[in-house]
Amino acid sequence: AQSVSQHNHHVILSEAASLELGCNYSYGGTVNLFWYVQYPGQHLQLLLKYFSGDPLVKGIKGFEAEFIKSKFSFNLRKPSVQWSDTAEYFCAVNGGSGGYQKVTFGIGTKLQVIP
Amino acid sequence: EAGVTQFPSHSVIEKGQTVTLRCDPISGHDNLYWYRRVMGKEIKFLLHFVKESKQDESGMPNNRFLAERTGGTYSTLKVQPAELEDSGVYFCASSLRASFSYEQYFGPGTRLTVT
Repeated sequence: AQSVSQHNHHVILSEAASLELGCNYSYGGTVNLFWYVQYPGQHLQLLLKYFSGDPLVKGIKGFEAEFIKSKFSFNLRKPSVQWSDTAEYFCAVNGGSGGYQKVTFGIGTKLQVIP
Repeated sequence: EAGVTQFPSHSVIEKGQTVTLRCDPISGHDNLYWYRRVMGKEIKFLLHFVKESKQDESGMPNNRFLAERTGGTYSTLKVQPAELEDSGVYFCASSLRASFSYEQYFGPGTRLTVT
């Protein structure tokens, strides 16, 4: 079965610090990769996605992620975080051995940005 | 365009009672999914409908959970009788297709607390 590991469960940063959240997925064939974000009191929203092509993916709000196939990784980055980035971030995958019908999520990383 | 909606947003019930959660997908989306997040754990897939047919219910925890999608529009998820371990956030998602490159759009979730 497909699985997703997120390395940090709780991250605290000061504003303007750089962010990198780790994500690894288990091998299972061709997959789609996602980062979702849930701001306090809001829906899960898609931050960015990788389906194919350029492995460096740019998303909303200045986020980007790099797909490294050889490492089964899809780390999320942002050069300078803002207080408004405080949220929970989920790495997710579909496809591969799990099929495209279900999305497999990591446990989530709570990011707290201190002004 | 309206997003995925869920009702209620919160539900508190006693062990042994019945609760029914509702999900309205994005109009035109034939694919509807239910997921659940138990506190501190990953968001996990429960089941997938294509129109009114259950395509995959491999994630349903046990036979106390019953999902329906009559007419292929909205869906309900009934828990009867509820147990303490059923507490969590139940997410619904919908997509136009269940295949490569079609993303799932998530609703705000229903927080279920069983006391």
